[in-house]
Amino acid sequence: QSVLTQPPSASGTPGQRVTISCSGSTSNIGSNTVNWYQQLPGTAPKLLIYSNNQRPSGVPDRFSGSKSGTSASLAISGLQSEDEADYYCAAWDDSLNGPVFGGGSKLTVL
Amino acid sequence: QVQLQESGPGLVKPSQTLSLTCTVSGGSISSGSYFWSWIRQPAGKGLEWIGRISTSGSTNYNPSLKSRVTISVDTSKNQFSLKLSSVTAADTAVYYCARNVGATYIYYMDVWGKGTTVTVSS
Repeated sequence: QSVLTQPPSASGTPGQRVTISCSGSTSNIGSNTVNWYQQLPGTAPKLLIYSNNQRPSGVPDRFSGSKSGTSASLAISGLQSEDEADYYCAAWDDSLNGPVFGGGSKLTVL
Repeated sequence: QVQLQESGPGLVKPSQTLSLTCTVSGGSISSGSYFWSWIRQPAGKGLEWIGRISTSGSTNYNPSLKSRVTISVDTSKNQFSLKLSSVTAADTAVYYCARNVGATYIYYMDVWGKGTTVTVSS
């Protein structure tokens, strides 16, 4: 059971916009910034969004993040086949004194 | 461009100690105010943070693993290491090392190793 809650799956067709939600509590998302990681099949996670809505250099602006209260969302616009991956949200948790992850959402491009 | 590489035995017997090392290349492990973490991922499952260390040796561990985990750093070798004692089959996973930016409020892992698979089996 992950501390942050994500839907196990999401899907969309090429060109569509999809969103993935991440729900937490006051000790994690409610108090700290949210990050998103993309894990392509058979590879290590890659930082996709940090500090709620910041993109590292090289990440396309098709990817965007937002946060409100104790929830956060990742949006992917102009969906492409290469976006098919697992996506994880994460945030520092003040109660656990460490970072916590969501269970991951598997994105399928139909 | 900083790169991380995990190394260590791929097979560990139950009740023994799992030992892994992460070698940092392309930069000094001591430069900048970074933490260095270990994260693991059982096959087909999500990510679990194990713990982190600063280059001054300050550590934080996942409470669920704290009694069995030790993370250390060797700045002269540009490496940090993980020891997990009394392993069971439940510790079978891909183990990643990662560089961490920030401390708490803003905290993310911006560079990851490729991961190493550790199987616990007799």
